[in-house]
Amino acid sequence: GAVVSQHPSWVICKSGTSVKIECRSLDFQATTMFWYRQFPKQSLMLMATSNEGSKATYEQGVEKDKFLINHASLTLSTLTVTSAHPEDSSFYICSAREWTITDTQYFGPGTRLTVL
Amino acid sequence: GQQLNQSPQSMFIQEGEDVSMNCTSSSIFNTWLWYKQDPGEGPVLLIALYKAGELTSNGRLTAQFGITRKDSFLNISASIPSDVGIYFCAGRGSGGGADGLTFGKGTHLIIQP
Repeated sequence: GAVVSQHPSWVICKSGTSVKIECRSLDFQATTMFWYRQFPKQSLMLMATSNEGSKATYEQGVEKDKFLINHASLTLSTLTVTSAHPEDSSFYICSAREWTITDTQYFGPGTRLTVL
Repeated sequence: GQQLNQSPQSMFIQEGEDVSMNCTSSSIFNTWLWYKQDPGEGPVLLIALYKAGELTSNGRLTAQFGITRKDSFLNISASIPSDVGIYFCAGRGSGGGADGLTFGKGTHLIIQP
């Protein structure tokens, strides 16, 4: 149980284009999902908290107009990187809150974004 | 913001040895979590700790939630090759499950056969 998937697993795009990443909780409903970013050999940094049916809450320093988050259902949250630039290249990882049994976060496998 | 100090940064050990790593914080956390991350993958939850003083085991892994709520440790006994990876501690504040996690910088475990 508590499986989280992400799609795509990797993506290469040209500078200036937008990229959408999906995060799905496969066997549980997640009213809250989180988006993290991880640069090579570094730790995970929380970008934003996504709540189903409401606006996402962004961490300080994260541009909400650049990283658009939509959590339209209890099993799906999407992160869209708009007008991507090479410095946005990173490993993006989502997690979903499973609150009925353990109230903890389960992570997706991550999406490797490379912006040329 | 909250910061976690995780140590050591890396460990080179022989197969069969025991491993110990810890995290400390300048502020209180209500939940401590330990994750393992393999290259190119998302973190996998190893142990979750919810109460100060709690000691929890998961197979060869044992973790404790410090009494002060500002620290936690993870022990791995009798290490095996598949234990190789990066281990992260993570803390969660008073908002409970609605809060995002603050991660330590990770401990890179390397096992020499």
